Amino acid sequence: EVQLVESGGGLVQPGGSLRLSCAASGFIFSGYWMSWVRQAPGKGLEWVANINQDGSEKYYVDSVKGRFTISRDNAKNSLYLQMNSLRAEDTALYYCVRDSFYYGSTAGICNSWGQGNLVTVSS
Amino acid sequence: DIVMTQSPDSLAVSLGEGATISCRSSQSVLSSSNSKNYLAWYQQKLGQPPKLLIYWASSRESGVPDRFSGSGSGTDFTLTISSLQAEDVAVYYCQQYYSTPYTFGQGTRLEIK
Repeated sequence: EVQLVESGGGLVQPGGSLRLSCAASGFIFSGYWMSWVRQAPGKGLEWVANINQDGSEKYYVDSVKGRFTISRDNAKNSLYLQMNSLRAEDTALYYCVRDSFYYGSTAGICNSWGQGNLVTVSS
Repeated sequence: DIVMTQSPDSLAVSLGEGATISCRSSQSVLSSSNSKNYLAWYQQKLGQPPKLLIYWASSRESGVPDRFSGSGSGTDFTLTISSLQAEDVAVYYCQQYYSTPYTFGQGTRLEIK
């Protein structure tokens, strides 16, 4: 069974930093594109970033470029999101997401989701 | 960025009746190289993460009941629920994965009438 467990969220002041982690199990982690998708309280879904199987390709939504960094450690079956210069508008539930296809060339089909980890940016 | 627009924002349907949700993209998500539409549908129930229902616009994910179907091509897509069940109450999102940043529609809330 695919399991994705996020951690590292919490309350942080504007301008601060947090590092989200996602522990993956139940599948061959190194074979899949992985993403972070967020959802502000009571709002819709926003794709944040993704990374390919070996970490050589990374893509971001414009609103986080230069502030957030996605990374992965295939030896530890873990995905990360380093978030710097946090703003109030970054407040959201952050989901760790696995793509659909093992070593697929197409990315972006969000097949499996974690339960999410809440990040609150407030003074 | 490709903008995804869903209609309606909310929908109330009687049990056993059909429901239709529309999704329009600001530019085509049909690939000329493989003739596939890069469009997915998700269901999000209250307090839960989203669940993938449909990808490639019309391919049903494993385990998804066949009352859910997707159709459309280019810029106009539809999610149809053929006979509404109580467990289908949720918010439904379309998403394009044709180009980054991947973008979602604003969501359609489906309720029982």
